[in-house]
Amino acid sequence: GAGVSQSPSNKVTEKGKDVELRCDPISGHTALYWYRQSLGQGLEFLIYFQGNSAPDKSGLPSDRFSAERTGGSVSTLTIQRTQQEDSAVYLCASSPTPQGMSTEAFFGQGTRLTVV
Amino acid sequence: AQSVTQPDIHITVSEGASLELRCNYSYGATPYLFWYVQSPGQGLQLLLKYFSGDTLVQGIKGFEAEFKRSQSSFNLRKPSVHWSDAAEYFCAVGAGSSNTGKLIFGQGTTLQVKP
Repeated sequence: GAGVSQSPSNKVTEKGKDVELRCDPISGHTALYWYRQSLGQGLEFLIYFQGNSAPDKSGLPSDRFSAERTGGSVSTLTIQRTQQEDSAVYLCASSPTPQGMSTEAFFGQGTRLTVV
Repeated sequence: AQSVTQPDIHITVSEGASLELRCNYSYGATPYLFWYVQSPGQGLQLLLKYFSGDTLVQGIKGFEAEFKRSQSSFNLRKPSVHWSDAAEYFCAVGAGSSNTGKLIFGQGTTLQVKP
């Protein structure tokens, strides 16, 4: 596609429910990132995918958070047993080459998650 | 550990005035530095980036930034601000082990433009 696409754009869920957030990166981009943007915490790195593997999961805040990527393309971020502190905007970004450090990451519009 | 500090949480400037947004970083090796802009309800858009070479980099929308290694700074500048520049601005450093591209962001600076 023309850009990084994320769905849904907004999600309201009840505390304790599981949610899945989807990211469709730019076609051909091998690197994919998830970030979280919340009040008071700013933008935090969650996880990095290179192809289908995740060599850096260091930003996942707890074992309730998991992510997968299939076919080197679409990625899903799953949050189990959601808590109110999970409320945030979840941003996905993709980058064209494995050496992501020296290339630009393109960001999606984000999914705004509200846990009530 | 790598970190980025944006000392100014909120800045207000008059339209047509010059702008400088400050960014200081902490990183052991040669940093890869970025400035992103986020308009309300929008994703992040890259303004400019520094990888190596000329320490003064030009970006989109008339923005520029200067890398100063001695000061660990990468300040963003614009000579004349337009009302459409009102947004949140994030400085970031490329971090992590090689080939990951993970970004460490500053807390952001919100720019308000007065008519």
